[in-house]
Amino acid sequence: GENVEQHPSTLSVQEGDSAVIKCTYSDSASNYFPWYKQELGKRPQLIIDIRSNVGEKKDQRIAVTLNKTAKHFSLHITETQPEDSAVYFCAAPFISSGSARQLTFGSGTQLTVLP
Amino acid sequence: DAMVIQNPRYQVTQFGKPVTLSCSQTLNHNVMYWYQQKSSQAPKLLFHYYDKDFNNEADTPDNFQSRRPNTSFCFLDIRSPGLGDAAMYLCATSNRLEREQYFGPGTRLTVT
Repeated sequence: GENVEQHPSTLSVQEGDSAVIKCTYSDSASNYFPWYKQELGKRPQLIIDIRSNVGEKKDQRIAVTLNKTAKHFSLHITETQPEDSAVYFCAAPFISSGSARQLTFGSGTQLTVLP
Repeated sequence: DAMVIQNPRYQVTQFGKPVTLSCSQTLNHNVMYWYQQKSSQAPKLLFHYYDKDFNNEADTPDNFQSRRPNTSFCFLDIRSPGLGDAAMYLCATSNRLEREQYFGPGTRLTVT
């Protein structure tokens, strides 16, 4: 399987509803899990990240939860707004070449918030 | 204030004609990365520099090379662009590995 798997690939929600995006990873030594938001034609921007010593982190309407035993982490967006519409990428460190871990990105989730 | 700058923002080159993309940073970060991102796909890491140490991903084609003459600048050289190399090229920096990465705005490369 992939080093980082992300689901769903597309997600549509009504404005005001919650959205949840899930990722699983394969490297049990991974200890840093960021989430990036990428609007059309723009750069990926970090919206929240979590380290392996905590199980949950929250920043206003955005939260990330981490389950190290199950090797998965999730992004939660509450009270969604049209401006939340974008592609969201999770990432996790993985040893791809040499001895250094690099961030490997999930395949992305296109979130559409319907007004 | 721009922290990671990429030039040019749009680049058109001919099939087989060498092209160089530029990235600079004002963050004084140790690590600089180059990613390739094709439409509707995740960024794919090509290589990175940790200070002066170059680290190439195993599946990065030999056609892609990089230079980092100093802390602030990093270049991506595509020696003989093919049609399949048309993509957005993103530069990113971080203070250390496995830490937050700051992305530049990207250079969209078109190969004709």
